[in-house]
Amino acid sequence: QQQVKQSPQSLIVQKGGISIINCAYENTAFDYFPWYQQFPGKGPALLIAIRPDVSEKKEGRFTISFNKSAKQFSLHIMDSQPGDSATYFCAASTNTGGFKTIFGAGTRLFVKA
Amino acid sequence: DVKVTQSSRYLVKRTGEKVFLECVQDMDHENMFWYRQDPGLGLRLIYFSYDVKMKEKGDIPEGYSVSREKKERFSLILESASTNQTSMYLCAAQGQGHGYTFGSGTRLTVV
Repeated sequence: QQQVKQSPQSLIVQKGGISIINCAYENTAFDYFPWYQQFPGKGPALLIAIRPDVSEKKEGRFTISFNKSAKQFSLHIMDSQPGDSATYFCAASTNTGGFKTIFGAGTRLFVKA
Repeated sequence: DVKVTQSSRYLVKRTGEKVFLECVQDMDHENMFWYRQDPGLGLRLIYFSYDVKMKEKGDIPEGYSVSREKKERFSLILESASTNQTSMYLCAAQGQGHGYTFGSGTRLTVV
């Protein structure tokens, strides 16, 4: 009930292509779904986040798609660039019944020049 | 923007030493966290704190303790360091309803 399953584990995309990372959750109490980007040797940084009252959120080349009924959400990176090469973590959190955040296992993205 | 500062980027300690990892945030955020990050295991929560002097165990608290004497500072303590505590340690702060701001991490090696 507490897991967040993230896939794929690693992803190689051509420059200019679309990178897609998927996450699935089980606990319907989750009400905040952020994505974090981590470069080697750095801490993760909040990239974009969504709440379940909307189905999509876009910020620049980054879009979260959210499917409440399927309990799934995904990150789309349009026009992927080599500078996007990093590890991406999805997460799900709630304050219901006590604060809780669960992270996905991470996806290592490599964008080929 | 919230800044979270971890006192050391790299540390090398000997087995059995007591180790202190310090974390300071520059905003008035209530919630602070310590995670460790290991290849293939993702982020694992060690301890978190939702107020001064308050602490809660995370998923892997064994061998660790924490201290939060001031709102801006959250310390992780390894009482007697062991080689299996070699890892990247990440501190994070969170305001109500917002995502986490992570520090840059401390890479600890125990020899």
